[in-house]
Amino acid sequence: QPVLTQPLSVSGTPGQRVTISCSGSSSDIGGNNVNWYQHLPGAAPKLLIYHNYHRPSGIPDRFSGSKSGTSASLAISGLQPEDEADYYCATWDGSLHIQVVFGGGTKLTVL
Amino acid sequence: DVRLVESGGGLVRPGGSLRLSCAASGFTFINHWIHWVRRVPGKGLEWVSRVNSNGFTTEYADSVRGRFTISRDNAKNTVYLQLNSLRAEDTGVYYCGRYGSGDNSAIDYGMDVWGQGTTVTVS
Repeated sequence: QPVLTQPLSVSGTPGQRVTISCSGSSSDIGGNNVNWYQHLPGAAPKLLIYHNYHRPSGIPDRFSGSKSGTSASLAISGLQPEDEADYYCATWDGSLHIQVVFGGGTKLTVL
Repeated sequence: DVRLVESGGGLVRPGGSLRLSCAASGFTFINHWIHWVRRVPGKGLEWVSRVNSNGFTTEYADSVRGRFTISRDNAKNTVYLQLNSLRAEDTGVYYCGRYGSGDNSAIDYGMDVWGQGTTVTVS
């Protein structure tokens, strides 16, 4: 059972804006920063957002992140067909052993 | 080009062993922690392990602690993951990832470079 809770799926039409939520607790998101990854099957995962809202070079500003308390969210505006992928939030959990924890992943479908 | 290339996956019986390798190129290897993450069929990404720049600090997910061992050879720019006592639930695609670093140590730079993965099947 993933430590971080994400919706199983979200969908939108081209041009729309969608958001993906990521819910955790005080021992993970509450005390750490959140990163977001995009993963297409058969491809390498890609870092979309680091440290809650920073975008790596090459990631379009259609992608944005935020964090508040024990939750985080990823927003994708101007949805494009190539955005159809799985999206994961990730953070740290240091409650017993230091570990990275991922959300269960959200499948984005572009209708 | 900055690259990570995994190898060593394969088909193995339950209880068996494998050694995965992650070869790095195009960046200063010793400046980065390296992680292993797997994608399990029907599930999502699961963090497995990480090793620090000199190899002396290692951490593991609860599900693999005591069975998997991570190590690195900085002379060869390579990280290894030794998988022992394999179980069916270890089946998946194993990715290595470089944890980013920068001038600001307070920033969590995330896993900014990933390999294409190597497939482990335990059956």
